[in-house]
Amino acid sequence: EDQVTQSPEALRLQEGESSSLNCSYTVSGLRGLFWYRQDPGKGPEFLFTLYSAGEEKEKERLKATLTKKESFLHITAPKPEDSATYLCAVNKGSTLGRLYFGRGTQLTVWP
Amino acid sequence: DGGITQSPKYLFRKEGQNVTLSCEQNLNHDAMYWYRQDPGQGLRLIYYSQIVNDFQKGDIAEGYSVSREKKESFPLTVTSAQKNPTAFYLCASTDGGGTEAFFGQGTRLTVV
Repeated sequence: EDQVTQSPEALRLQEGESSSLNCSYTVSGLRGLFWYRQDPGKGPEFLFTLYSAGEEKEKERLKATLTKKESFLHITAPKPEDSATYLCAVNKGSTLGRLYFGRGTQLTVWP
Repeated sequence: DGGITQSPKYLFRKEGQNVTLSCEQNLNHDAMYWYRQDPGQGLRLIYYSQIVNDFQKGDIAEGYSVSREKKESFPLTVTSAQKNPTAFYLCASTDGGGTEAFFGQGTRLTVV
């Protein structure tokens, strides 16, 4: 069965303390891996798409990487405004655009 | 600005009632999706549509219905057959080319 697993479920960091979030997947025929940020009571906001192993993308304090089995979202020197739930999703390509989501990592950054 | 608009933001349903959640997009996207989000769970697909007048069931379609009469609109009806409808509902769209999905701001449905 295809699966997307995110870890940890929750992460508390002090401001400036860098860390990584993990997304492991077992889907076949990966067509893309997506990272989203979700604030409480809001819809997910797109961050990155990764298509092939070895690919990396960066945006401000965030950097996403992809291997054949997992993706990491690295957060460098986080700030309190980075606090949110980070969602990982994959597209298998059997139905273009249809996403399979992990349960998310709830990140809290305290001053 | 292009985007997806969901309404209402909050919705309350009495037992036995059908309610309809609205989703409108002005991104000219072909494909639209409805997901359900429950605490501690990943988003689960209810229904999707890749073209006007066509739609398919997702993983948890029982108790829900949809229509796609216009490219811009994809309303979701939560019927009385859905026994546990309290959840956060998210509508999304893509251009169908495997690129990122854009999401609306969600509708929180509560049974009273």
